[in-house]
Amino acid sequence: DADVTQTPRNRITKTGKRIMLECSQTKGHDRMYWYRQDPGLGLRLIYYSFDVKDINKGEISDGYSVSRQAQAKFSLSLESAIPNQTALYFCATSGPIAGANEQFFGPGTRLTVL
Amino acid sequence: AQSVTQLDSHVSVSEGTPVLLRCNYSSSYSPSLFWYVQHPNKGLQLLLKYTSAATLVKGINGFEAEFKKSETSFHLTKPSAHMSDAAEYFCVVSVRDLRGADGLTFGKGTHLIIQP
Repeated sequence: DADVTQTPRNRITKTGKRIMLECSQTKGHDRMYWYRQDPGLGLRLIYYSFDVKDINKGEISDGYSVSRQAQAKFSLSLESAIPNQTALYFCATSGPIAGANEQFFGPGTRLTVL
Repeated sequence: AQSVTQLDSHVSVSEGTPVLLRCNYSSSYSPSLFWYVQHPNKGLQLLLKYTSAATLVKGINGFEAEFKKSETSFHLTKPSAHMSDAAEYFCVVSVRDLRGADGLTFGKGTHLIIQP
């Protein structure tokens, strides 16, 4: 089984709809992250979380919100989706080991907003 | 602040010839550096990482990278390209901040094309 899973893998929705993307991990990591990928721009950080009570904005948080329901679950919501939020979304995790700040990525969710 | 510049958006090589993907970085602190690969319609897979140990880092699938502090570079190489290497490659710099957050900054990616 994959260590970091994302649901759904693909989603098509309409402008103005509320959308939730979910991420679960079995790695036991405390840190979780949400990124979006756009062609030619690499990945950009939306939100990150150290634990259930510690949520932080990333580079491009406007139009998004998150919820850390448990250490293993981190959800990303688009309250009112717009077409320029069409992108590939990745969840990632990392652990607290000093000097080993590798992040482990889920398979991605492709979101299309019409 | 930190940044990453991947010097080529596309690189095309023939199968069996060497691969060189170039990456320069800037960071106010001692960074960790990574190369990730993304195959079409797939997630990101770690190729290799530098975390202040040996400057020549060996990764999976025959890839390696050399950390050169004086040149602020972390170029990715492979002696002989294989068709399965065709993918998007991302150079990433990471600095763990005082709170322990791993701030990853991604380059914009290099699309590697392998000619038969």
